[in-house]
Amino acid sequence: KQEVTQIPAALSVPEGENLVLNCSFTDSAIYNLQWFRQDPGKGLTSLLLIQSSQREQTSGRLNASLDKSSGRSTLYIAASQPGDSATYLCAVKDGDDKIIFGKGTRLHILP
Amino acid sequence: EAQVTQNPRYLITVTGKKLTVTCSQNMNHEYMSWYRQDPGLGLRQIYYSMNVEVTDKGDVPEGYKVSRKEKRNFPLILESPSPNQTSLYFCASTPRRDPHRQFFGPGTRLTVL
Repeated sequence: KQEVTQIPAALSVPEGENLVLNCSFTDSAIYNLQWFRQDPGKGLTSLLLIQSSQREQTSGRLNASLDKSSGRSTLYIAASQPGDSATYLCAVKDGDDKIIFGKGTRLHILP
Repeated sequence: EAQVTQNPRYLITVTGKKLTVTCSQNMNHEYMSWYRQDPGLGLRQIYYSMNVEVTDKGDVPEGYKVSRKEKRNFPLILESPSPNQTSLYFCASTPRRDPHRQFFGPGTRLTVL
């Protein structure tokens, strides 16, 4: 059964620093991997999606990488800002179109 | 405006009283799904649907039913709610050919007493 793990569970960093969030999954037979952002009390916003054949995707200050063989993905956030404070979730889609989420990393950017 | 709507947004009910949470999307998306979010457990998929009349179990389908009679609607049915179904529920829709464009509803906070 696919399991998705995110480390750390929570992270606080000063504004302006670059940071990396980690996501690992146990079954490499994935269709895609997606990173989301969730603000308190709100729904999810899709940030980046990496297809299983891709290695990375970039959007502005965000860069997501995927190493399917090792079951790992990272989300790199450059020059962090207080507005980046949120919970970041990764999710994998398996070959049966089922989606499995990690428990998220709660990020706090200190002004 | 492209969106996923859920109703109700908040619901307090009692054990055993059947309820339905509606989900509707106006984007002609094929894929729709329901999730529950619980502290310490994250988001878990309950059911998903690839298209009309096609539904499949996610990770935690027990105690729930869904139907997909129309493309735009994907209601979540709790035939006999129990307190362990107290949770925050999200509906989401995605066009099959563009999975990056995943839209989440605003959430329904359900409390079962």
